[in-house]
Amino acid sequence: SAVISQKPSRDICQRGTSLTIQCQVDSQVTMMFWYRQQPGQSLTLIATANQGSEATYESGFVIDKFPISRPNLTFSTLTVSNMSPEDSSIYLCSVEVRQETQYFGPGTRLLVL
Amino acid sequence: LAKTTQPISMDSYEGQEVNITCSHNNIATNDYITWYQQFPSQGPRFIIQGYKTKVTNEVASLFIPADRKSSTLSLPRVSLSDTAVYYCLVGAYKLSFGAGTTVTVRA
Repeated sequence: SAVISQKPSRDICQRGTSLTIQCQVDSQVTMMFWYRQQPGQSLTLIATANQGSEATYESGFVIDKFPISRPNLTFSTLTVSNMSPEDSSIYLCSVEVRQETQYFGPGTRLLVL
Repeated sequence: LAKTTQPISMDSYEGQEVNITCSHNNIATNDYITWYQQFPSQGPRFIIQGYKTKVTNEVASLFIPADRKSSTLSLPRVSLSDTAVYYCLVGAYKLSFGAGTTVTVRA
């Protein structure tokens, strides 16, 4: 297993601003993922972040809106840029510990006013 | 990515066994079947994973028939704390979450 922490746990932001979410893992992992879960909905994969390479974004998500950094094997950040109320969601990071098994962080609850 | 279909919701009572069946007709040969549990305001939590036949751990059992086109998660003797959303996922490192099954356990 892996222990994953996220900062901040929650935030309230004004539209037009940006927020950077941090994800820290207690062990070195190759693959990290960022998801979004809108209120009452299931999880949607935003991007896959591998250390040493550019993040791979899913359809509907772009780097300008959700830039991701992956400076080492235990850490990643996701920035939500130029926020609007539609970005209000829970943002979760996860890591792949073994094949086809992911462990998730507690999530960052974002409210954009 | 294999598409999965599972019931939207299930109700149960404490002490009963809950069985959730997931359909995944286009599962690939190399795909594993994994179930996650999510409580409100928390990230999904890995429950169990299997490839074929039966897998059991301290939390649940997973039954997979020979054709692997479906799987059944079995939660024995549920309690109120088992009320959650349960997701069935198949294959690949990029998880595609469906709507999940909301299980409500009543006293």
